[in-house]
Amino acid sequence: GAGVSQTPSNKVTEKGKYVELRCDPISGHTALYWYRQSLGQGPEFLIYFQGTGAADDSGLPNDRFFAVRPEGSVSTLKIQRTERGDSAVYLCASSANTNQPQHFGDGTRLSIL
Amino acid sequence: SQQGEEDPQALSIQEGENATMNCSYKTSINNLQWYRQNSGRGLVHLILIRSNEREKHSGRLRVTLDTSKKSSSLLITASRAADTASYFCAMTTDSWGKLQFGAGTQVVVTP
Repeated sequence: GAGVSQTPSNKVTEKGKYVELRCDPISGHTALYWYRQSLGQGPEFLIYFQGTGAADDSGLPNDRFFAVRPEGSVSTLKIQRTERGDSAVYLCASSANTNQPQHFGDGTRLSIL
Repeated sequence: SQQGEEDPQALSIQEGENATMNCSYKTSINNLQWYRQNSGRGLVHLILIRSNEREKHSGRLRVTLDTSKKSSSLLITASRAADTASYFCAMTTDSWGKLQFGAGTQVVVTP
């Protein structure tokens, strides 16, 4: 079956612009996670959705970052007024429940010029 | 800040040799997982070991967990060139299942 799909795979934009990153989880997976990975580092947690609600957004770095999952499936991570420090690979993962392994997409490589 | 620390940061071995990497963490965990990441790709789940387990096997992989020392190890036996990747340990410490990763070990297996 299809895995976790993330689009776009690459995004280059100018400082100050707004970006949206999309995640299509595995069908039926209720748990969805966003992580951010900088070069040479492990991923860092951003936000967790259980169904439609954000159960834990403690990893979002500031209020320029926001994520939604309106129908409990596809999720969008939104970044306003992008800064060069936001450049990273943004990874999405889903799981059937919180005790099961997470399945990751290939990520969106975001570059802020 | 990262919950886990991995050792070594990089490992270079020849095909057929075993590769061992270690992970230490700071706080009590629910479970510990190991993931593999090929360059430019997402992470692939390898093994999940729960806090009440001490050892698990999957094919050529063996994972141990010592909660008293807050450490885990991943052993890859009879390595292959296709095992070349970065390997990450990740811990869950709450009921939400969010993963806290180490910085990873880069493994290069030469034919």
